[in-house]
Amino acid sequence: NAGVTQTPKFRVLKTGQSMTLLCAQDMNHEYMYWYRQDPGMGLRLIHYSVGEGTTAKGEVPDGYNVSRLKKQNFLLGLESAAPSQTSVYFCASIGSGQAFYEQYFGPGTRLTVT
Amino acid sequence: AQKITQTQPGMFVQEKEAVTLDCTYDTSDQSYGLFWYKQPSSGEMIFLIYQGSYDEQNATEGRYSLNFQKARKSANLVISASQLGDSAMYFCAMTPPRQLTFGSGTQLTVLP
Repeated sequence: NAGVTQTPKFRVLKTGQSMTLLCAQDMNHEYMYWYRQDPGMGLRLIHYSVGEGTTAKGEVPDGYNVSRLKKQNFLLGLESAAPSQTSVYFCASIGSGQAFYEQYFGPGTRLTVT
Repeated sequence: AQKITQTQPGMFVQEKEAVTLDCTYDTSDQSYGLFWYKQPSSGEMIFLIYQGSYDEQNATEGRYSLNFQKARKSANLVISASQLGDSAMYFCAMTPPRQLTFGSGTQLTVLP
């Protein structure tokens, strides 16, 4: 049981390049989230998903797209990276029903856009 | 929409003393969950404690307890017998469950 994993752990992009961050969980969790954390600040929700095939916008969705084709995976895409997207990205998942309180974070992906 | 407020950007506590980190929330949902996370300087998010809105007892996990006052919409974290390893950023969060909302965090420093 690996919990929540994120790939890659570090990445440097040039302005205008694209990339996809992968979040994977093996706990059969329904809800998955992508956050960004800027230096000295709290986490801000980018997008989230309440189940396979569903996604919704969070607080700061601009410049990002997401997909949840499989229940265990939640992808975060940057189509044209900008320096303002330099941040640490966290993925999280939460169970539902009786396991409502089960929630786990991935280790984070540190992204630098130059 | 949900909102979490943490009004203490930084806190200091002497080793072995207790400390309370404040968290207030706002929601129109009747069913919700409240969480506290710890983020050490290494960056990972560590789950500490959870309180459900219908739980009558305050949650406790070892040295951590959550002082839940539903009428006041507050969910303060109490750390007893502080240790040097408790120095970290602490985040309060809630979920209704479709959206997980975080506060801005409190930086706790434990002094020897």
